[in-house]
Amino acid sequence: GENVGLHLPTLSVQEGDNSIINCAYSNSASDYFIWYKQESGKGPQFIIDIRSNMDKRQGQRVTVLLNKTVKHLSLQIAATQPGDSAVYFCAEPSPGSARQLTFGSGTQLTVLP
Amino acid sequence: DAGVIQSPRHEVTEMGQEVTLRCKPISGHNSLFWYRQTMMRGLELLIYFNNNVPIDDSGMPEDRFSAKMPNASFSTLKIQPSEPRDSAVYFCASSLGFSHNQPQHFGDGTRLSIL
Repeated sequence: GENVGLHLPTLSVQEGDNSIINCAYSNSASDYFIWYKQESGKGPQFIIDIRSNMDKRQGQRVTVLLNKTVKHLSLQIAATQPGDSAVYFCAEPSPGSARQLTFGSGTQLTVLP
Repeated sequence: DAGVIQSPRHEVTEMGQEVTLRCKPISGHNSLFWYRQTMMRGLELLIYFNNNVPIDDSGMPEDRFSAKMPNASFSTLKIQPSEPRDSAVYFCASSLGFSHNQPQHFGDGTRLSIL
């Protein structure tokens, strides 16, 4: 079935640098996307979402970009901090389901001192 | 605000025993989801409820798994009998509304180990 996949399983960045986490999706009918952050021993934490009628949405230190032409989603984290170290998942509605989400495999972000 | 509360945080038991996981969703949320997370399979949706009614349980692995939501503030996921392959982290999540355009908010999970 269709799924959400990530280009990079791991990403290491220097503290203070910007981070970019990428996600490719295959369901062109998806109209909503979510980014989650999961720290060790905790549940996924909602970061930011975007609807398909938008190309960009900004939150606090985070920006999500959506390129529907190439079915690509990215999460940008500005001035990455040690507390940003976590696994980041993108998610989209599962095809044919009113409520189910399909999660990507996740990217491990490590912030280096 | 209180988030989704799950208990216990950790459970270790021998195979064949009954396991009951508990969840209290965020007050006012009317959709509730049970997930299982493993290294091999990632996050898998097991079942979800809307207004306390099970909507889709196609993700439940087999008849050993059952879930209930007797009221808007409580849900259980039961495994009977448990098997070692059930070892995983089980998450509960809740959301406001039934539309998929509402983010799901997760609890911190129950780490289940079946010996």
